[in-house]
Parts: sequence; C-alpha cells; structure tokens
Amino acid sequence: QVQLVQSGAEVKKPGASVKVSCKASGYTFTSYYMHWVRQAPGQGLEWMGIINPSGGSTSYAQKFQGRVTMTRDTSTSTVYMELSSLRSEDTAVYYCACRAMNIQKYYYYGMDVWGQGTTVTVSS
Amino acid sequence: DIQMTQSPSSVSASVGDRVTITCRASQGISSWLAWYQQKPGKAPKLLIYAASSLQSGVPSRFSGSGSGTDFTLTISSLQPEDFATYYCQQANSFPRLTFGGGTKVEIK
Repeated sequence: QVQLVQSGAEVKKPGASVKVSCKASGYTFTSYYMHWVRQAPGQGLEWMGIINPSGGSTSYAQKFQGRVTMTRDTSTSTVYMELSSLRSEDTAVYYCACRAMNIQKYYYYGMDVWGQGTTVTVSS
Repeated sequence: DIQMTQSPSSVSASVGDRVTITCRASQGISSWLAWYQQKPGKAPKLLIYAASSLQSGVPSRFSGSGSGTDFTLTISSLQPEDFATYYCQQANSFPRLTFGGGTKVEIK
C-alpha cells in the first residue's frame, strides 16, 4: 500500500535550518506530486508547497518563498523539505502528503496519503 | 491567493445530531474543494473530494455539496468518533493550494 514515512523530530535554534525527509513506498515514486503542509501548536493546517518528483519542479506558498526548498531523490524515493532562517513561529508539525489516484487531474482531488508528521521545535 | 473561510469555527452537538459546516472561497473555485477530518495528534484524513465525491472507506453519513464559492460538509447523524476538527481545502489554483481555518466539532 502507499505509505509515506517521515524523519524524526528535530530541535533547532533560531536562525538555523532544518531538513525533513519523506520516504515514499508502495507506488511509482514519480507518479504523484508531493505536498508539504504544516500545523503550529493549536493552529490550523497551512500549505507550504509542492514538488513534482518526476522533474523536480516546485511551487511554494508566497509566505515561504526564499526560505523553503523542496527537493527529491528518485534513487531512494524520498522528498525533502528544508526550511531556513528558523524562528519560534516555525515550531510546528510538518507533514508530507500526496494524492495516490490513477486518473487525469488527480492533483485536484485532495490528499489521501499522509506521512506521520515530523515535529520541529525552534527554541533558544 | 484564494482565501478559504470556514464557519462556524466551532460547534457543539450531540450524538445523532445533523451537523453542517460551511466553507466560502474568496473567488470561484468550480468544484475543486476537499474536506478533511483531523483528530488530535493525528494526520488529516480525506473525507470528500471534488466538492461532493466520497473518499473510499468514508461512512455515507458524510456528504459534501456546493460549487463556485460556497460549499457545505454535512454529517447526517453525528457519531462519537466524529468529534474532531474539519478543514476545507481548495485546489482550483493548483499548484498553489489553501486550507480553511478549521471547524471544531465538540460534544454538547
């Protein structure tokens, strides 16, 4: 079955960078776009950006432009999300997610497979 | 960017009640809307996609409707396991998506 497994919790100091990984299994890695979504404590879901594992193209939410970089490694079926210049407001759970659906325009149909989440804590 | 506004932000209801949550887009998004359920400490779960299509495995008491700017998620008969927070998400502006602020369904 389609599964996304994320890397473990991180604790970072303000100004540092964090890189979270998301390893995909159970499908052809290059078949589906991968999203990153975060959730600060007690807050709602926030879409950060998307990567096309096939060619590596990305699109980021305006809020994170210049601070976020999403990459992929097709040899290990892994996508990465790196966030730089961390501040306390970046403390959150970070999720990768995709829509595993073999139809045209599948990417309009929500996200049905989610990683378990990675907690990133930014504290001095 | 397209803004998604959910209402109410929270609702208190009893088991067996009919619950309706609304989501309004700042501009027309056709039917490119999804609904999610999230329980504390868990990843979101997809309930509805394309505004009204039920995701596989989701109970039929969940339904979605709407198009353009106004959408509704309805739980026809609230069950104990339905107490959670619900989010809408638009995909009309793919690849850039946005979520609504969430609606918490609490026990009355």
